[in-house]
Amino acid sequence: SQQGEEDPQALSIQEGENATMNCSYKTSINNLQWYRQNSGRGLVHLILIRSNEREKHSGRLRVTLDTSKKSSSLLITASRAADTASYFCATDEWAGNNRKLIWGLGTSLAVNP
Amino acid sequence: GAVVSQHPSRVICKSGTSVKIECRSLDFQATTMFWYRQFPKQSLMLMATSNEGSKATYEQGVEKDKFLINHASLTLSTLTVTSAHPEDSSFYICSASPGLADIKKDTQYFGPGTRLTVL
Repeated sequence: SQQGEEDPQALSIQEGENATMNCSYKTSINNLQWYRQNSGRGLVHLILIRSNEREKHSGRLRVTLDTSKKSSSLLITASRAADTASYFCATDEWAGNNRKLIWGLGTSLAVNP
Repeated sequence: GAVVSQHPSRVICKSGTSVKIECRSLDFQATTMFWYRQFPKQSLMLMATSNEGSKATYEQGVEKDKFLINHASLTLSTLTVTSAHPEDSSFYICSASPGLADIKKDTQYFGPGTRLTVL
């Protein structure tokens, strides 16, 4: 099941600009993760932010989490053509004894040189 | 870092045949493995969760007789698409979790995916 909603669904920017993607979710979470996927390839884990954290940085990435609004944002600063990919958020959910990720629909980012 | 491999990376088969996809954790023992399906330009859809040595838990709407999952060891899980049809064509991705005692530190590591095309 998909609980995350991401916006925008598609984003096209010029190299050097910042890209902001948003993710909303519906249930309480332990953590929220952002992944990147190049076309037709596997997923690359970018960053994990825990429910008690509000902001996290990793290189040119900045993630914020607002649990009161059940939303998160991913900011990529000084974008590069190589950042072109789809970006997904995923939240943690327990189902019985199994823990699983609930995925957002993704944002397709195109960075034009 | 933790590495998960999938084999094959790409497979083309005729309608009616069965296809087996392997998922291996290369440098850690995976208590739990997950199988996902992804259609073009769409998000991941969890198909099933498998714990080593026990039967897989399938998500609603996923046919367990169609998608056979075996997690026989702590480093290997297989997904067999039985009697494949063109509508089974998709990108299949596995992930593996080490099942750390501190569940807050446990995470999923993803394989590179397998592109299945059924003619």
